[in-house]
Amino acid sequence: AQSVAQPEDQVNVAEGNPLTVKCTYSVSGNPYLFWYVQYPNRGLQFLLKYITGDNLVKGSYGFEAEFNKSQTSFHLKKPSALVSDSALYFCAVRDVYKLSFGAGTTVTVRA
Amino acid sequence: ETGVTQTPRHLVMGMTNKKSLKCEQHLGHNAMYWYKQSAKKPLELMFVYSLEERVENNSVPSRFSPECPNSSHLFLHLHTLQPEDSALYLCASSQDRGTGWQETQYFGPGTRLLVL
Repeated sequence: AQSVAQPEDQVNVAEGNPLTVKCTYSVSGNPYLFWYVQYPNRGLQFLLKYITGDNLVKGSYGFEAEFNKSQTSFHLKKPSALVSDSALYFCAVRDVYKLSFGAGTTVTVRA
Repeated sequence: ETGVTQTPRHLVMGMTNKKSLKCEQHLGHNAMYWYKQSAKKPLELMFVYSLEERVENNSVPSRFSPECPNSSHLFLHLHTLQPEDSALYLCASSQDRGTGWQETQYFGPGTRLLVL
């Protein structure tokens, strides 16, 4: 079965600093990897995905993610974090019909 | 979020009640999903419908009963629920192109359910 792991429950950064949210994956075959963000009392919003092609994927709101096959990682990054980026972030991998999600990482960006 | 809507946004029900959650997608997709998000647990897939046929029932108790009358609407009928069923129920949709289910799933805002 496909799975992802998010090793950090929480990430705290100062506004304007780089933000990284980590994700590692375990798959058989080609990985289809996704990042979603969830704001309080809201559903999940799609940020970006990796299916094939360039290892650096650019997404919404200035986020990008780097697919690293040798390290089986798909870390989410933003060069300069904003206070409004404070939210819950989920990494996910497609496993036939379903998305298998990580446990989530809470990001807090302080002003 | 306007692409996938869910009603009601909040629901409180007793264990003997019967209620239904509604999901509607305005994206022209042909696959719809129900997920359950509980505190301190990863999101769990409950049901998948593709072209209005159920293709996945992820060992969900029979007190949850899905219905997909057409490709735009998805219901989750609830009866004799337990307090541990309290959670955020999320609906999602995607376009199944028959290419290995690579397509992005788009989520609604969820229904926050409390079972007393």
